[in-house]
Amino acid sequence: AQSVTQLGSHVSVSEGALVLLRCNYSSSVPPYLFWYVQYPNQGLQLLLKYTSAATLVKGINGFEAEFKKSETSFHLTKPSAHMSDAAEYFCAVSGGSNYKLTFGKGTLLTVNP
Amino acid sequence: DSGVTQTPKHLITATGQRVTLRCSPRSGDLSVYWYQQSLDQGLQFLIQYYNGEERAKGNILERFSAQQFPDLHSELNLSSLELGDSALYFCASSVGGGAGTDTQYFGPGTRLTVL
Repeated sequence: AQSVTQLGSHVSVSEGALVLLRCNYSSSVPPYLFWYVQYPNQGLQLLLKYTSAATLVKGINGFEAEFKKSETSFHLTKPSAHMSDAAEYFCAVSGGSNYKLTFGKGTLLTVNP
Repeated sequence: DSGVTQTPKHLITATGQRVTLRCSPRSGDLSVYWYQQSLDQGLQFLIQYYNGEERAKGNILERFSAQQFPDLHSELNLSSLELGDSALYFCASSVGGGAGTDTQYFGPGTRLTVL
């Protein structure tokens, strides 16, 4: 079985500050990890994914995430927050013959001017 | 725009009724996935179809069923609706059907309200 825990259901940062959204996973097989973003009243958009190549993954909109097997983590970061980053962010895991995505509960990011 | 389309965008119906949600995958994608997003359960995988065949099943109720047609569009049928079925229903598609690395592209969702 696979699971994802996102620490912090709500994160608030100032514009220009570092964004750090935490994700820890549990998987009995080598995991594939994903970060999706959901803007209000929209579907999910893929930010980045880890598929066992480089452990530091760069995504769209300046986001990146680092896979740390020893910590079972895949935290999402962005050096400088922008107002347009305000959205809900979901971490997800899949792996092995299990094609489905198992999502975390999501983290709502608020960016203050 | 992900290329995945879902209709209708909004659906309001009464308890006990039956509804059909429709999804058209991205051109070239063979897999279709259905997810339910609700405040209490979060995003939950319901079911996956690959090239017309059911591939994987998640937390899908017996009152719910789905199918994928020869043109690869998919329909999710929800029957004997209850208040608790009110949620956002997402369809996603991917090229393949077996690799966990497959990127799933999500549609805009159908918001179902059961009164």
